[in-house]
Amino acid sequence: AQRVTQPEKLLSVFKGAPVELKCNYSYSGSPELFWYVQYSRQRLQLLLRHISRESIKGFTADLNKGETSFHLKKPFAQEEDSAMYYCALIRQAGTALIFGKGTTLSVSS
Amino acid sequence: SQTIHQWPATLVQPVGSPLSLECTVEGTSNPNLYWYRQAAGRGLQLLFYSVGIGQISSEVPQNLSASRPQDRQFILSSKKLLLSDSGFYLCAWRGRADGYTFGSGTRLTVV
Repeated sequence: AQRVTQPEKLLSVFKGAPVELKCNYSYSGSPELFWYVQYSRQRLQLLLRHISRESIKGFTADLNKGETSFHLKKPFAQEEDSAMYYCALIRQAGTALIFGKGTTLSVSS
Repeated sequence: SQTIHQWPATLVQPVGSPLSLECTVEGTSNPNLYWYRQAAGRGLQLLFYSVGIGQISSEVPQNLSASRPQDRQFILSSKKLLLSDSGFYLCAWRGRADGYTFGSGTRLTVV
């Protein structure tokens, strides 16, 4: 079964500390993986996708097929990074996005 | 430009009442459309998706149904709401290059 697992419900860090939001997936073949972010009172929006290999707002994510992981990282957290983060993959049948349960990131000063 | 509209923003309904949530997309044709529910502690759950008019695929057996009467209109319905139907409902469409755009959502509280 295709599945996305985000083991942490809440991650609290101090401003300037490194951040790593964990994501593991279950998928046969080559997955298309994404990170979405939802800031308070805003729409869910795409943060980054693995095939573009770009860095958005200082966040990066590397696909590790051996560990079936796609962890989201940022070297220095900012207070404005506080939000709900979802890891997702495109399902093979139907092209729907399948999401993990999400991790709330809280950055305090 | 391509936009997605979803309404109402919030809704409080009694148990046993009907439900109709609407989602419309502008600036595109024949989009893939999706309904998700975001419930506390359960993340985003795919409920329905549609690849064209009148074509609906259901992901989870439940008290809800979906319809697509027009190319850019996607409706989520229920004949009789249950308490467990409470949640945050999101409509989404799939654009080019695998980009998914989400609506602003409807917060449904069944009382």
